Amino acid sequence: GAGVSQSPSNKVTEKGKDVELRCDPISGHTALYWYRQSLGQGLEFLIYFQGNSAPDKSGLPSDRFSAERTGGSVSTLTIQRTQQEDSAVYLCASSLMTVSYGYTFGSGTRLTVV
Amino acid sequence: ELKVEQNPLFLSMQEGKNYTIYCNYSTTSDRLYWYRQDPGKSLESLFVLLSNGAVKQEGRLMASLDTKARLSTLHITAAVHDLSATYFCAVEDNAGNMLTFGGGTRLMVKP
Repeated sequence: GAGVSQSPSNKVTEKGKDVELRCDPISGHTALYWYRQSLGQGLEFLIYFQGNSAPDKSGLPSDRFSAERTGGSVSTLTIQRTQQEDSAVYLCASSLMTVSYGYTFGSGTRLTVV
Repeated sequence: ELKVEQNPLFLSMQEGKNYTIYCNYSTTSDRLYWYRQDPGKSLESLFVLLSNGAVKQEGRLMASLDTKARLSTLHITAAVHDLSATYFCAVEDNAGNMLTFGGGTRLMVKP
């Protein structure tokens, strides 16, 4: 597609429920990144996918968070048993091969856990 | 671990004034990026600085990189209200795998 697409744009969920956030990167971009941005804060790295390599999961804050990328394209970030501190905007970005080509960010998913 | 610090975190300035935002980082890197984020929006790429001494300018914004000092600056000349936004710097790790972001500088330009 023309840009990085994320869905849903907004998600309100009850504490303890599981949620899935979707990212559809730019066609041909082999690198895909998930970041989290809490209210008024900077960006916190979560996970990075590059081609068919094993993902870099070093930023995932707990084992309730997981992500997968199917067919080297669409990625899903799953948060299990959501907590109120998970409330944030989750941003996805993609890049052609490596970050040196620059990131293109999606518009984000605003997650609110009530 | 790469750490990136921006200052100031918040900047309120009058239209027509000049100011500089600073971005310091903790480990060696030759590549630095500046992004703009409007409220409720995603991040928009402003500048990519790929070597020591790199300088890029676009309109009233000019970014520079000193890799020896591990410092980048974003200079604003004769600010206008439309520049009000949050500005983030981000540093590329040496493996070229990912960016680490600063905490952002929220700029408010008052008429």
